Amino acid sequence: GAGVSQSPRYKVAKRGQDVALRCDPISGHVSLFWYQQALGQGPEFLTYFQNEAQLDKSGLPSDRFFAERPEGSVSTLKIQRTQQEDSAVYLCASSLGSSSGSITQYFGPGTRLTVL
Amino acid sequence: GENVEQHPSTLSVQEGDSAVIKCTYSDSASNYFPWYKQELGKRPQLIIDIRSNVGEKKDQRIAVTLNKTAKHFSLHITETQPEDSAVYFCAAPRGTGRRALTFGSGTRLQVQP
Repeated sequence: GAGVSQSPRYKVAKRGQDVALRCDPISGHVSLFWYQQALGQGPEFLTYFQNEAQLDKSGLPSDRFFAERPEGSVSTLKIQRTQQEDSAVYLCASSLGSSSGSITQYFGPGTRLTVL
Repeated sequence: GENVEQHPSTLSVQEGDSAVIKCTYSDSASNYFPWYKQELGKRPQLIIDIRSNVGEKKDQRIAVTLNKTAKHFSLHITETQPEDSAVYFCAAPRGTGRRALTFGSGTRLQVQP
């Protein structure tokens, strides 16, 4: 079946521009996560949704970062007034998150953001 | 919050040898420990995970051990092959509902043919 997909795969933005990154989770997956992965580092947690509810946004680095999942499926991560330090791969992951306890996270291919 | 430390950062082995990667975690309430493999430019892929109610889990050439008392867990790869070359990340649960993950800094494994 289809895995987690993300678009665009690559995004180049000029400093100060706004960007929007999209994540399509696996169908039926309740939980959705965003991570930021800098070059040579492990993924760093940004935010977590259960259905449409954003339950944890403690990892968002500043108020320039905003995420939403209005219908409990597709999610968008928006970064306003991009800065060079925002350059990274943004990974989306989803998990079934059902009462059966399936918490395995499946990752998308990521969006590589480069801010010039 | 959860803090995960991973070592070594790089590991080079000869084909056929074993490789061991170790991680420690800080939160004694953590109960789920996955390992991900990430090839260059690709997405992280789960290779094995372990829950805190067992001490060891094995899947063919890959095994994970967990020591809850010492708060550390390890990945063991036996009979390494060149295709095992990649970056490996350990992780532990964090935050609200303990659903999100805190990742280690990664181990770059190079298997020399």
